[in-house]
Amino acid sequence: EAQVTQNPRYLITVTGKKLTVTCSQNMNHEYMSWYRQDPGLGLRQIYYSMNVEVTDKGDVPEGYKVSRKEKRNFPLILESPSPNQTSLYFCASSLGTRSVLSSPLHFGNGTRLTVT
Amino acid sequence: AQSVTQLDSQVPVFEEAPVELRCNYSSSVSVYLFWYVQYPNQGLQLLLKYLSGSTLVESINGFEAEFNKSQTSFHLRKPSVHISDTAEYFCAVTRTSGTYKYIFGTGTRLKVLA
Repeated sequence: EAQVTQNPRYLITVTGKKLTVTCSQNMNHEYMSWYRQDPGLGLRQIYYSMNVEVTDKGDVPEGYKVSRKEKRNFPLILESPSPNQTSLYFCASSLGTRSVLSSPLHFGNGTRLTVT
Repeated sequence: AQSVTQLDSQVPVFEEAPVELRCNYSSSVSVYLFWYVQYPNQGLQLLLKYLSGSTLVESINGFEAEFNKSQTSFHLRKPSVHISDTAEYFCAVTRTSGTYKYIFGTGTRLKVLA
């Protein structure tokens, strides 16, 4: 089954403790992206990647890091989480570079992160 | 820069009644437009998209949206809603070329009442 898999689904952590949220897709998609969803703000893009070793900042990249060492994986890293990073996070992927802007995004089921 | 405005944060409607969810966008360049739906505890799923051609686009479950360039709108409509349509709906826009960013609206929570 074609899917985007995020882990964990729920995560509670404390301020300053490094964490990684994993994202994997099995559709051979070139484009991958991370979003955070907050009430009243909709989805905001954190980082995106056009292909292996190619990443770029979205609208809210502060406090986050990403890497794209393999095509299928795009982990989100919070090196020193803070309470304002408490949010619902989604990973998404899309078909390919030439058609990425017209191809739909495929989303994971989300990771609800709480930072105390 | 592009932006998307969904004016209605919540829309309650009775079952079998029609509904319209409004989406307006702002852009100085050509755009692609999308509607995504998010059911409880799930990720977003594509509902329909406008790329070019006919300004009226339809989904497989009875929703339709019309691209209106002069009013910069892409409103979502359904003539008769079901309980199962209860979800949050997001309008999104991307440029047809250039930066690879999707801009999402703040979402409209549709609640269908029995």
